[in-house]
Amino acid sequence: AQTVTQSQPEMSVQEAETVTLSCTYDTSENNYYLFWYKQPPSRQMILVIRQEAYKQQNATENRFSVNFQKAAKSFSLKISDSQLGDTAMYFCAFMSMEYGNKLVFGAGTILRVKS
Amino acid sequence: EAQVTQNPRYLITVTGKKLTVTCSQNMNHEYMSWYRQDPGLGLRQIYYSMNVEVTDKGDVPEGYKVSRKEKRNFPLILESPSPNQTSLYFCASSPALGNQEKNTEAFFGQGTRLTVV
Repeated sequence: AQTVTQSQPEMSVQEAETVTLSCTYDTSENNYYLFWYKQPPSRQMILVIRQEAYKQQNATENRFSVNFQKAAKSFSLKISDSQLGDTAMYFCAFMSMEYGNKLVFGAGTILRVKS
Repeated sequence: EAQVTQNPRYLITVTGKKLTVTCSQNMNHEYMSWYRQDPGLGLRQIYYSMNVEVTDKGDVPEGYKVSRKEKRNFPLILESPSPNQTSLYFCASSPALGNQEKNTEAFFGQGTRLTVV
């Protein structure tokens, strides 16, 4: 079974600085997708970034980028120039071709951006 | 606007009183699912549906029922709620997984905070 592990329950960062959230996963699949979702206090689930396992190039979306290490089964999220609005719970999630559209989530990391 | 709509957003009920949480999507997605979110556990899949009249259990289906009579609607039914079903619930929809990258994106409802006393 696929599992996703986020080892940092809480993190904090100063405004304008850079922070990295960790995620590891376990799978025997070769074709899969990885995601980072943001959940602000409003509880809305917002897709931050997506990575396809077959792509070697790391995905980037503005201030958000990932470090995807397929062999190590690691998928970390880097947030540059942190803003107060980045304060949220962040979930790492996995989706494999074998299990269709099912998302497997990590436990989440609470990120607090301080002014 | 593409969206998934859940109702209600908040619900307090008593043990054993049947309830239904509704979910509707306007994107003509084939795949719909329900998740529950609990502290320290992330989101876990309860039930899913690949298309109309096709439903199956997820990882934590006990105590829940679903139906998919129409493509747009996927209600979650708790026949006899218990306090251990107190949780935050999310409905999500996405196109059937295919070769197009866009098909991997799941759209989530606003969440339903359920308390069973």
